[in-house]
Amino acid sequence: GNSVTQMEGPVTLSEEAFLTINCTYTATGYPSLFWYVQYPGEGLQLLLKATKADDKGSNKGFEATYRKETTSFHLEKGSVQVSDSAVYFCALLARGADGLTFGKGTHLIIQP
Amino acid sequence: DTAVSQTPKYLVTQMGNDKSIKCEQNLGHDTMYWYKQDSKKFLKIMFSYNNKELIINETVPNRFSPKSPDKAHLNLHINSLELGDSAVYFCASSANPGTGVEQFFGPGTRLTVL
Repeated sequence: GNSVTQMEGPVTLSEEAFLTINCTYTATGYPSLFWYVQYPGEGLQLLLKATKADDKGSNKGFEATYRKETTSFHLEKGSVQVSDSAVYFCALLARGADGLTFGKGTHLIIQP
Repeated sequence: DTAVSQTPKYLVTQMGNDKSIKCEQNLGHDTMYWYKQDSKKFLKIMFSYNNKELIINETVPNRFSPKSPDKAHLNLHINSLELGDSAVYFCASSANPGTGVEQFFGPGTRLTVL
């Protein structure tokens, strides 16, 4: 079956630090990959996505590259801000499927 | 304008009651979904509807029944509520399912069963 594995955290960093949140997946075929972000008390917002191997998704300073050879989609940001504090979810959409398969979420805390 | 909206935002009820959560999307999407987020933040698909047809049911108890009066609405009805049903329920919608397009999520409904 399909699955997504990501570090659960909490991950605590100082402002302006470099961020990496690891995400690896198992899926049949070639899925589309997503990062969603959930700010406290809010719903999920799409952060970025990639639909094929070697694609790089980017948004708001965040980046992730679809690596088929390592089945990974790690999230990175060069300099985090306090406002980036949230829960980040890696997810996949398998070909022919309709529902997203989510990782367990990574709680990110940025301290000033 | 809100793309995907849900009501109510909070729902507190007693065990054994029947309740409904409403969802509406104004994006013109063909497919709508319900997800459950448990106390540990884990998200899991419950249902999806495409053109009024149920196309996913992920081993959800039959006490849960999605109802879609039209393409823009997918309501979730829950019978005989149990303590374990306490969670945040998210509605979502997308165009062209399975082609890699994003799903747009509503703000969530926090259900607490006492």
